[in-house]
Amino acid sequence: DAKTTQPPSMDCAEGRAANLPCNHSTISGNEYVYWYRQIHSQGPQYIIHGLKNNETNEMASLIITEDRKSSTLILPHATLRDTAVYYCIVRTTLIQGAQKLVFGQGTRLTINP
Amino acid sequence: EAGVAQSPRYKIIEKRQSVAFWCNPISGHATLYWYQQILGQGPKLLIQFQNNGVVDDSQLPKDRFSAERLKGVDSTLKIQPAKLEDSAVYLCASSSISGRAYEQYFGPGTRLTVT
Repeated sequence: DAKTTQPPSMDCAEGRAANLPCNHSTISGNEYVYWYRQIHSQGPQYIIHGLKNNETNEMASLIITEDRKSSTLILPHATLRDTAVYYCIVRTTLIQGAQKLVFGQGTRLTINP
Repeated sequence: EAGVAQSPRYKIIEKRQSVAFWCNPISGHATLYWYQQILGQGPKLLIQFQNNGVVDDSQLPKDRFSAERLKGVDSTLKIQPAKLEDSAVYLCASSSISGRAYEQYFGPGTRLTVT
């Protein structure tokens, strides 16, 4: 399973963009990059995923470098409710299309008022 | 749409006792996952079912942990006998095999404390 490296913690001011980096230098050509977040005492929540193109949804944007060895999750206007642990994951596909997520330690993002 | 349901939410047992956790996935989701999350760490996949068949149980400590998913719907995870190091949050997740198959939906978890 491809490994990911994230900073253990980050701070961001409320209303500013939060940019969370992730390194995944051993990613294979058919492996996707996923981002989940986990708010305190809750289960993880899906945010976004991508293969090689940049992606955007209602929660965030995902920027993947051309060599696919790193990516950045962008929360465009962070709010206090975005305080959480953010996990960058490289997804492995098992038999019958089942996906496998291997979570690392994640980045603890704190949004400050 | 109802989310993934888990029970109990909290459990305290003594070491060497047994415990069971229950999970009801989102209706229609064929794939079900059990994760173990030790304090300060990310979730670790224990076992993954697709319908009632096991897809991956490579990280399940089979000498003490067992899981089943009868009829391909709800699932139980059992620990027997429990050890101190089993203290963790046990998360259940489910996903579809079509449509938003890329998204795993997690339940609130069961916090197990082994004393």
